[in-house]
Amino acid sequence: TQLLEQSPQFLSIQEGENLTVYCNSSSVFSSLQWYRQEPGEGPVLLVTVVTGGEVKKLKRLTFQFGDARKDSSLHITAAQPGDTGLYLCAFRRGNNDMRFGAGTRLTVKP
Amino acid sequence: GAGVSQTPSNKVTEKGKYVELRCDPISGHTALYWYRQSLGQGPEFLIYFQGTGAADDSGLPNDRFFAVRPEGSVSTLKIQRTERGDSAVYLCASSLQMNTEAFFGQGTRLTVV
Repeated sequence: TQLLEQSPQFLSIQEGENLTVYCNSSSVFSSLQWYRQEPGEGPVLLVTVVTGGEVKKLKRLTFQFGDARKDSSLHITAAQPGDTGLYLCAFRRGNNDMRFGAGTRLTVKP
Repeated sequence: GAGVSQTPSNKVTEKGKYVELRCDPISGHTALYWYRQSLGQGPEFLIYFQGTGAADDSGLPNDRFFAVRPEGSVSTLKIQRTERGDSAVYLCASSLQMNTEAFFGQGTRLTVV
């Protein structure tokens, strides 16, 4: 059973467009993390959201944690080819390991 | 080195053979994680070490998989009697302590033919 459902699974857009990807669960989390993974590389942490309703911005990326702490979204404004990659959400089980969703594979065409 | 190092970067082995995958974490990081990632999927948890001990090995798929971290630094993931379904990228990550940011290596791509 996938605790974290990510959608869409694939997304292909043109440079300059905006997009939103989602991470949903029926479970409540103390925090959620977003990672980006490029081909041949390991995932790199983008942000951790902790408080329900929290919004964090990282340049053109806006991350939101749902009020009930069950879901999160990532919005990218004016996407660029360099944004291409696999976007993963993850949660930590207490003080232990991280568990990941299946990811959204984003392709931004020039 | 400054980051997590995994060796080899690629490994091709024949079905039934034994393989070892090595992870050198960032110096001083006490927590170490192994994940397996199949094509088009997110990383799947295998095992987590805190120091020398396996704090959680519930993700190991069966008894052909085993991991050690004898001195609390380098870790080795061992796979016996490899099967074609074991083909995947094996990722290692480390963090300074529990619940702090984890840093991933580039992974070892294992292909069982």
